[in-house]
Amino acid sequence: SAVISQKPSRDICQRGTSLTIQCQVDSQVTMMFWYRQQPGQSLTLIATANQGSEATYESGFVIDKFPISRPNLTFSTLTVSNMSPEDSSIYLCSVEDKGHEQFFGPGTRLTVL
Amino acid sequence: GDSVTQMEGPVTLSEEAFLTINCTYTATGYPSLFWYVQYPGEGLQLLLKATKADDKGSNKGFEATYRKETTSFHLEKGSVQVSDSAVYFCALSSLPYRGGTSYGKLTFGQGTILTVHP
Repeated sequence: SAVISQKPSRDICQRGTSLTIQCQVDSQVTMMFWYRQQPGQSLTLIATANQGSEATYESGFVIDKFPISRPNLTFSTLTVSNMSPEDSSIYLCSVEDKGHEQFFGPGTRLTVL
Repeated sequence: GDSVTQMEGPVTLSEEAFLTINCTYTATGYPSLFWYVQYPGEGLQLLLKATKADDKGSNKGFEATYRKETTSFHLEKGSVQVSDSAVYFCALSSLPYRGGTSYGKLTFGQGTILTVHP
């Protein structure tokens, strides 16, 4: 199974600023995913990030707001840009291992004031 | 589009009680179905899965059967423990698993908080 870490674990930010969340996995994986969990709601996929290609965004999410980098097979970042209070959520990254199971990081709890 | 509906929580049980958490889904095609669990302070973990109709996924005493006729995947455990207290998520992948291919995007239910008292 893959072991995933995320940084930061939580943050409180001012509106209009940006935050970059890092996701590190202990093995090389092709597919990485970024999800958002708004308060009291389900997890929603933001984008799929495969190494060597542009991220694929789900309906309702755009690259200008949530730019993603995927420089290698063990690392990815998600930036939440020009934040507003509506961006307050838990952001999770996940990876799909060779057995095609998805493993999730512990999440980043973001509060925007 | 795809969607997953879970029974509303929170659910509070005494130790050794029987647990059922209902999950129904809407999907095009032939999805794969999952239950994930999130223990306090930890990340989501895959609890069990089923990839075709009538399959039963099981793990740690939990079971769920893929019912295509009722589009359901209810989670059950015969005797819960305090250590089962967690948030449980039902999820589906709309890509049918064909061995060696990715499940891809997961669609999640809203989660059910389970608290088990001694």
